[in-house]
Amino acid sequence: GNSVTQMEGPVTLSEEAFLTINCTYTATGYPSLFWYVQYPGEGLQLLLKATKADDKGSNKGFEATYRKETTSFHLEKGSVQVSDSAVYFCALPSGSARQLTFGSGTQLTVLP
Amino acid sequence: GAVVSQHPSRVICKSGTSVKIECRSLDFQATTMFWYRQFPKQSLMLMATSNEGSKATYEQGVEKDKFLINHASLTLSTLTVTSAHPEDSSFYICSAKGLAGGISHNEQFFGPGTRLTVL
Repeated sequence: GNSVTQMEGPVTLSEEAFLTINCTYTATGYPSLFWYVQYPGEGLQLLLKATKADDKGSNKGFEATYRKETTSFHLEKGSVQVSDSAVYFCALPSGSARQLTFGSGTQLTVLP
Repeated sequence: GAVVSQHPSRVICKSGTSVKIECRSLDFQATTMFWYRQFPKQSLMLMATSNEGSKATYEQGVEKDKFLINHASLTLSTLTVTSAHPEDSSFYICSAKGLAGGISHNEQFFGPGTRLTVL
């Protein structure tokens, strides 16, 4: 089945630093790819998505490009803020019900 | 975007009791709901998939008699943890997808989660 491999954390950065969280996938065909964010004690929120190869998803300064050549969907942000501290999950649909399969999650802490 | 609520947000119970968690889609018809479990500092693990009006499909290793799922309507699914034990303590998250404005959507919308602590 489809799967994702996500960069292990935790990641600690200073405010305004550049962020990259790596995500690679294994899939049949070209499924949509997602990044979700989970703030402390909360559920998941969709951060961004891309539905086909070469698409770039973006939201709140975060970007990720669907690259079929490298089967990757790395998350980037040019200048992180303290409020970006959260756990980030890469995900893609799999199975007959198209349920989401999640990466292991990457804990990001941004220090002032 | 579509909203999914969960109730309760936190529950503490004694070992041996049963706990029911509700998941509601507030502004769309959830034809499919998913229940996930998340251990501290870990990813989400799918427990089961439920379609409205039919029996839930459980993932391998998930006891269906332990985790009862009911999806009786297009806006409500419940997860009942029966005879809870401390090892059932976890963060349970539901998600839903379905129809909004008559259009089928593949995107899943997540509830805020329920923190279960079994003493």
